Amino acid sequence: GAVVSQHPSWVICKSGTSVKIECRSLDFQATTMFWYRQFPKQSLMLMATSNEGSKATYEQGVEKDKFLINHASLTLSTLTVTSAHPEDSSFYICSARRQSAYEQYFGPGTRLTVT
Amino acid sequence: GQNIDQPTEMTATEGAIVQINCTYQTSGFNGLFWYQQHAGEAPTFLSYNVLDGLEEKGRFSSFLSRSKGYSYLLLKELQMKDSASYLCAPRYNTDKLIFGTGTRLQVFP
Repeated sequence: GAVVSQHPSWVICKSGTSVKIECRSLDFQATTMFWYRQFPKQSLMLMATSNEGSKATYEQGVEKDKFLINHASLTLSTLTVTSAHPEDSSFYICSARRQSAYEQYFGPGTRLTVT
Repeated sequence: GQNIDQPTEMTATEGAIVQINCTYQTSGFNGLFWYQQHAGEAPTFLSYNVLDGLEEKGRFSSFLSRSKGYSYLLLKELQMKDSASYLCAPRYNTDKLIFGTGTRLQVFP
């Protein structure tokens, strides 16, 4: 199988603080990982594409200094939401892709609430 | 954008058949994914079509017409657990998937 985990599954933080979300591929090596954000009753919006060992590619309108992405190994990518504000409250989902494959395997998601 | 269009909501009864349509922009198109997403959960993979035609996988089948920019997901013998959102996601000349807004399917007894 292809299992992707995320940690934490949910987090509540105060406005102005930073939150780190981890995405791990448990049984395969993920050359590429993707970070999505999903607001209630809306579709998944791609935030950035992360390739192991290189800088992430951010989608238009996504602030790279606010959403820091690190893809340190073939099994781990992290997303840090810096100086979080209530409008950053959302469901953050990562996905991972094997080399030479197109299918993306999704993690279970992280629900972030900023108070 | 890629102009992905799928119905917002559909309803059906247990045991019935439902077809969820999706149209998309054909320029740069390489293949199309269908994912299922239950409320509050991450999407799970259903199918990936590259070539024209119908691919059957148990109760679920997916059809693609590349020239028409059209795909559908067919769900047979509907069960209550099939109530979920179904996301159409074409792949273009990059690694990225572009997700439609999804079709929320409600199955009634």
